Amino acid sequence: RKEVEQDPGPFNVPEGATVAFNCTYSNSASQSFFWYRQDCRKEPKLLMSVYSSGNEDGRFTAQLNRASQYISLLIRDSKLSDSATYLCVVKTGANNLFFGTGTRLTVIP
Amino acid sequence: DGGITQSPKYLFRKEGQNVTLSCEQNLNHDAMYWYRQDPGQGLRLIYYSQIVNDFQKGDIAEGYSVSREKKESFPLTVTSAQKNPTAFYLCASSDVYEQYFGPGTRLTVT
Repeated sequence: RKEVEQDPGPFNVPEGATVAFNCTYSNSASQSFFWYRQDCRKEPKLLMSVYSSGNEDGRFTAQLNRASQYISLLIRDSKLSDSATYLCVVKTGANNLFFGTGTRLTVIP
Repeated sequence: DGGITQSPKYLFRKEGQNVTLSCEQNLNHDAMYWYRQDPGQGLRLIYYSQIVNDFQKGDIAEGYSVSREKKESFPLTVTSAQKNPTAFYLCASSDVYEQYFGPGTRLTVT
């Protein structure tokens, strides 16, 4: 079983739509959780960390469900510039980062 | 500007040749990492180093070698023993809060 699993998509949504991505992880001892954004042929960049109580950053909301071992990312009012691949990342221990395969989002005008 | 640099951006080599990818950071981070990314796959860890003169194998270290003689530098050598070296290689460094990635080197071996 993979450490981190994501639906690869692609998700094609119209501008202004709300879209949600989910990610599941297998190790219940995982300590930290992140969403990274990766543009085509570029390096991943941190979008937001995911906290136990859930957290929001503008149009982006991240949630963690430890009991079910999943993480979610909600994007409201999608913009064309949100088109990218979103990587779910789970940290277990000091140097054990596990990356999902990424979910590709295309926002259509 | 603080950051991570990787060079070159694109690299082409013939099969059977060793090639070294450079990674430099001026963020004063102790920990540095090398990943490879293939189409449709997540990042896979090749090697990491938590301190100068020390490094550890990741999940897919076979066919690769690294050195960490300076805090700022963590070069990766792709040897001829690596069976499928064509990929996008990403170097990263980290503080307590997050990993920061370099722009990557796209290696093509023919």
